[in-house]
Amino acid sequence: QVQLVDSGGGLVQPGRSLRLSCAASEFTFSSFAMHWVRQSPGKGLEWVAAISYDGSKKYYVDSVKGRFTISRDNSKDKLYLQMTSLRPEDTGVYYCARGGESSGDLDSWGQGTLVTVSS
Amino acid sequence: QLVLTQSPSASASLGASVKITCTLSSGHSDYAIAWHQQQPEKGPRYLMKLYSDGSHIKGDGIPDRFSGSSSGTERYLTISSLQSEDEADYYCQTWGTDINWVFGGGTKVTVL
Repeated sequence: QVQLVDSGGGLVQPGRSLRLSCAASEFTFSSFAMHWVRQSPGKGLEWVAAISYDGSKKYYVDSVKGRFTISRDNSKDKLYLQMTSLRPEDTGVYYCARGGESSGDLDSWGQGTLVTVSS
Repeated sequence: QLVLTQSPSASASLGASVKITCTLSSGHSDYAIAWHQQQPEKGPRYLMKLYSDGSHIKGDGIPDRFSGSSSGTERYLTISSLQSEDEADYYCQTWGTDINWVFGGGTKVTVL
């Protein structure tokens, strides 16, 4: 059973930084693309960023380009999201998700970690 | 532009069936999608991948009550024999050739 455990969320002031982590287990992490998806309070799901299986390709939604960086450590089976210059509109629950095999569907999800950007 | 449109809500009685719709934007009728379920206060759960021909591949442990079908730019999720635990938000999701991933706005299913 694929396991994804999100961590690193918390309360942070606008303009500050935060790093989220996602620990993967029960599958060959280095073979799969990975994603971050967020959900603002009371709203729907929004794709944030993706990284290829080997970390060579990275993709971002326009609203976070230049502020967020997705990365991975395949030796540790971990995914990261470094968030800088945080804004109140970045508030929400952040989920890591596994990309489907040779496909763009997201086929497994973490439990999420809450990020609150407020002064 | 790749867009997914969902009705905000749907409802049906306990034990009945409900069919929810996800509509792809014009020109994307050959796109596959995925369906995800989000129960209250929980993270999303992958249900299935649904192709344009209506064939679908379900995730591990997804009950037979959940099925998918397609027609043109419309993708459907049917839940049969509705249970109380099926009361949730359902999201469709797809991916584009210009390297973007898109979610529909979600459909809230209420079990009466």
